[in-house]
Amino acid sequence: NAGVTQTPKFQVLKTGQSMTLQCAQDMNHEYMSWYRQDPGMGLRLIHYSVGAGITDQGEVPNGYNVSRSTTEDFPLRLLSAAPSQTSVYFCASSYARQGAASSGNTIYFGEGSWLTVV
Amino acid sequence: LAKTTQPISMDSYEGQEVNITCSHNNIATNDYITWYQQFPSQGPRFIIQGYKTKVTNEVASLFIPADRKSSTLSLPRVSLSDTAVYYCLVGERSGGYQKVTFGTGTKLQVIP
Repeated sequence: NAGVTQTPKFQVLKTGQSMTLQCAQDMNHEYMSWYRQDPGMGLRLIHYSVGAGITDQGEVPNGYNVSRSTTEDFPLRLLSAAPSQTSVYFCASSYARQGAASSGNTIYFGEGSWLTVV
Repeated sequence: LAKTTQPISMDSYEGQEVNITCSHNNIATNDYITWYQQFPSQGPRFIIQGYKTKVTNEVASLFIPADRKSSTLSLPRVSLSDTAVYYCLVGERSGGYQKVTFGTGTKLQVIP
């Protein structure tokens, strides 16, 4: 059981380039989300999805797009990379659309993707 | 929306019991309280979850008073490997769905 898989683990981009961070889970979870974590900071929610075809914005959505065409995959697209998007990105998933903090659900995190924009 | 407040940092000596308190004054009736641990360069991992009173597992205990407006994570006899950031989470509801947001967490430094 692979859990939550993120690729790539490390990436360097030039300002203005676009790229996609991939996230896949094999636990048939409805809820998936992307967070970014800047040095010494907590995790900030970028976008989330409560099921295939349904996405919504989190705290810091600007500059990012997501889509959820299947239950398993939740890619995060950087449209035009900026140095302010240098960060560590975590993908996460959990069972129910109610998220992890109610109904006894647990969030499972990927190992992170380190992105540097120069 | 339920927000959480935790101390930014704590220091403890090895072998001591550590208690980290989280306040969540606006917690909803159906929301559980969940704690996560994050080591440097890793994603957060689940530690413990509870609804009320006390929950204990092999890693920690969670104490929740009757009004559920706060919770305390207790780590018995900490070791250097417990140095990490600890996050307290409660749910937030938006349009019938729930999104999960993290606060800044509590950075625990265990000292030899």
